[in-house]
Amino acid sequence: KNEVEQSPQNLTAQEGEFITINCSYSVGISALHWLQQHPGGGIVSLFMLSSGKKKHGRLIATINIQEKHSSLHITASHPRDSAVYICAVNTGNQFYFGTGTSLTVIP
Amino acid sequence: DGGITQSPKYLFRKEGQNVTLSCEQNLNHDAMYWYRQDPGQGLRLIYYSQIVNDFQKGDIAEGYSVSREKKESFPLTVTSAQKNPTAFYLCAARAGTNSPLHFGNGTRLTVT
Repeated sequence: KNEVEQSPQNLTAQEGEFITINCSYSVGISALHWLQQHPGGGIVSLFMLSSGKKKHGRLIATINIQEKHSSLHITASHPRDSAVYICAVNTGNQFYFGTGTSLTVIP
Repeated sequence: DGGITQSPKYLFRKEGQNVTLSCEQNLNHDAMYWYRQDPGQGLRLIYYSQIVNDFQKGDIAEGYSVSREKKESFPLTVTSAQKNPTAFYLCAARAGTNSPLHFGNGTRLTVT
């Protein structure tokens, strides 16, 4: 059983489209993280949130603690957004990771 | 610039050989982690260390060993006992329980 489920697994979008990636989790958490992994393999932390909504540029992350659900939105998508987006939850000392959503944005 | 350095980026070894992956950080973070990434799976925790000279097994520690003699360094040794060592290995660090993880760029290990 996976503690963190993401959908979709793969996503292809046209440049400019609004994109949503979903994450559901089954454990009690202290925070949820959205990560971005580029083809080279390195991972960058995009957001850490425990309630509400955060925005950074064209990226928006929301979380609903009661429903154990989070979404990552990308507005006006661009080919440079192409990457794998990973949802991770922190239960204290332990992290659980989703399998990632592979996003390809076509010019 | 502060960050986490993993070296080498690519590593090739013959079956039966031990190999050590390097992880160095200049973020002054106490906690450090080693994860393994395989296609179609989420990151899995191998070992973690909260302070110098202390480390704990993660979910898949069998066949691996670590040391934490200095705050900045957390090397991972993949031993010949690891049955399926070919994978992408990521090192991470964080300042505290309510802090984000900072990752290195990873080492891709291929064992033939």
